Amino acid sequence: DADVTQTPRNRITKTGKRIMLECSQTKGHDRMYWYRQDPGLGLRLIYYSFDVKDINKGEISDGYSVSRQAQAKFSLSLESAIPNQTALYFCATSDSRTGQFQPQHFGDGTRLSIL
Amino acid sequence: DAKTTQPNSMESNEEEPVHLPCNHSTISGTDYIHWYRQLPSQGPEYVIHGLTSNVNNRMASLAIAEDRKSSTLILHRATLRDAAVYYCIPSGGSNYKLTFGKGTLLTVNP
Repeated sequence: DADVTQTPRNRITKTGKRIMLECSQTKGHDRMYWYRQDPGLGLRLIYYSFDVKDINKGEISDGYSVSRQAQAKFSLSLESAIPNQTALYFCATSDSRTGQFQPQHFGDGTRLSIL
Repeated sequence: DAKTTQPNSMESNEEEPVHLPCNHSTISGTDYIHWYRQLPSQGPEYVIHGLTSNVNNRMASLAIAEDRKSSTLILHRATLRDAAVYYCIPSGGSNYKLTFGKGTLLTVNP
């Protein structure tokens, strides 16, 4: 079983719909992140959380919201989806207890298409 | 954030060494140099990181220039499974803020 699980893996929806992407982890890590990736580009940070109920904006947070109600879960919401939010979304985790260096561990992504 | 420059693409033959360069001339003194790679249809995975000294692990070696303005990721014997996009990422502090550029697409020929 994957340590970082994203659901759904694929989603097609219409403009204006509310969408929630879920991320769950079994690694026991305290930090979690949401990124998006557009074709041919690197990943960009949307939001990150250092602990339960801690929420921080990343590079491109407009149009998105997140929730961290439990250490193992971090959900990303698009309140009113628009076509330019069509992208590949990745969740990642890291463990602050390992000290200064904390490699991030990524899920396999959610491919979201907004028509 | 430090800016990075990597070749858009590189090609190698299976079982040959591969040297993937990265320029990061604006790196700060406390930034580590991280390398991640992204295999097709997967999320990125951590490869290696270093600060000043050269580093080795089971996946690769990292050679860091003395002035730290550039680094090279070395795959000693490329395999088909190494075909991926490789990202060089300077990042400081607790490494929570990774900025991914476009990376280098490595193609490995059989």
